[in-house]
Amino acid sequence: RKEVEQDPGPFNVPEGATVAFNCTYSNSASQSFFWYRQDCRKEPKLLMSVYSSGNEDGRFTAQLNRASQYISLLIRDSKLSDSATYLCVVYGTYKYIFGTGTRLKVLA
Amino acid sequence: GAVVSQHPSRVICKSGTSVKIECRSLDFQATTMFWYRQFPKQSLMLMATSNEGSKATYEQGVEKDKFLINHASLTLSTLTVTSAHPEDSSFYICSAPTSGAIDETQYFGPGTRLLVL
Repeated sequence: RKEVEQDPGPFNVPEGATVAFNCTYSNSASQSFFWYRQDCRKEPKLLMSVYSSGNEDGRFTAQLNRASQYISLLIRDSKLSDSATYLCVVYGTYKYIFGTGTRLKVLA
Repeated sequence: GAVVSQHPSRVICKSGTSVKIECRSLDFQATTMFWYRQFPKQSLMLMATSNEGSKATYEQGVEKDKFLINHASLTLSTLTVTSAHPEDSSFYICSAPTSGAIDETQYFGPGTRLLVL
């Protein structure tokens, strides 16, 4: 089992749609959780950290469920510019583990 | 926000040569930096953790004699790919956490594309 698992997609959604991604992690001792966005041939950029209480940043909402060991990202009112690969990142045991990423394509 | 730079951004070299990649934290000090490698359509794979003032910690399967890491100062870490071969062609990215806490948000350099002919 991979340490961090994501559905690779692609998720093809129309503009304005709501889309949700999930990510599961295997290490119950993991401490910190993040969502990063990576555009083609670019470095990852932090989208948001994920907290147990859930957090929201504009159209983006992230949730953490420690009991079930999964993290989610919800994107509302999708924009064309949201098209990218979304990476789930888990920190534990002195290093960051990346999921393989979920590709999102927002269609006009 | 925090800025991490990498140099060069792109390098093409002949098989057997060595390539040095620099990673700098521009507006903060980084006692720890991470080096990743990303092959096409795959996720980032941690290669090693670079520690200022001490030896790097390598992930399983990463040859420390082939990928030399030197963390010369609080703002600079270098990765040298020695005797590069075509299978080393990849996207190499460094990152650093901006605060002293290793589990804090990390920022990535823009990456270095290495092509070994």
